[in-house]
Amino acid sequence: DVKVTQSSRYLVKRTGEKVFLECVQDMDHENMFWYRQDPGLGLRLIYFSYDVKMKEKGDIPEGYSVSREKKERFSLILESASTNQTSMYLCASSFRGGRAQEQYFGPGTRLTVT
Amino acid sequence: QQPVQSPQAVILREGEDAVINCSSSKALYSVHWYRQKHGEAPVFLMILLKGGEQKGHDKISASFNEKKQQSSLYLTASQLSYSGTYFCGTETNDKLIFGTGTRLQVFP
Repeated sequence: DVKVTQSSRYLVKRTGEKVFLECVQDMDHENMFWYRQDPGLGLRLIYFSYDVKMKEKGDIPEGYSVSREKKERFSLILESASTNQTSMYLCASSFRGGRAQEQYFGPGTRLTVT
Repeated sequence: QQPVQSPQAVILREGEDAVINCSSSKALYSVHWYRQKHGEAPVFLMILLKGGEQKGHDKISASFNEKKQQSSLYLTASQLSYSGTYFCGTETNDKLIFGTGTRLQVFP
């Protein structure tokens, strides 16, 4: 059974803290994605990676960075958390097939920055 | 740019039908549909490819009009289990741009 796991379901951090969100997939997928989900705005792509150590900016990369040192793991980093980064963060993965493939999502991390 | 979904919300009685639309300002190569139940992760429903046929998933089907740059999701004889938020995703360079979602609630 395919599986994408995220390190925490709920996280509370203070403004200015450095925050790490971890995502692990066990499907040997090449592509991994980080989305942010806010009411009324849908799913917005922050960053994605199509291979180890490769990354591309999505639609809203400001204030975020990512790291992919191993194929199965994709980390999202908030260098200095701010209150406007309070949101639900979803990780997803897919095969790389030349066209967009079915994405498998993790359960999400609800981050609150106070 | 995000595709636009309409309506934003739908309320149905069990057994009723619904249509959710997804429109893009850009040429579409494919459209993906996902459903997210409350408190859960989004789950893939189907992909519609440019030049492809209408697809179905149980009593949920979809169409893709390349000329109009839009896709529609049809839910027939809705069931309680259809409740959730539906997202369309349009393909751009191996990644998806998701719409803002349509919240569907089905009541007994």
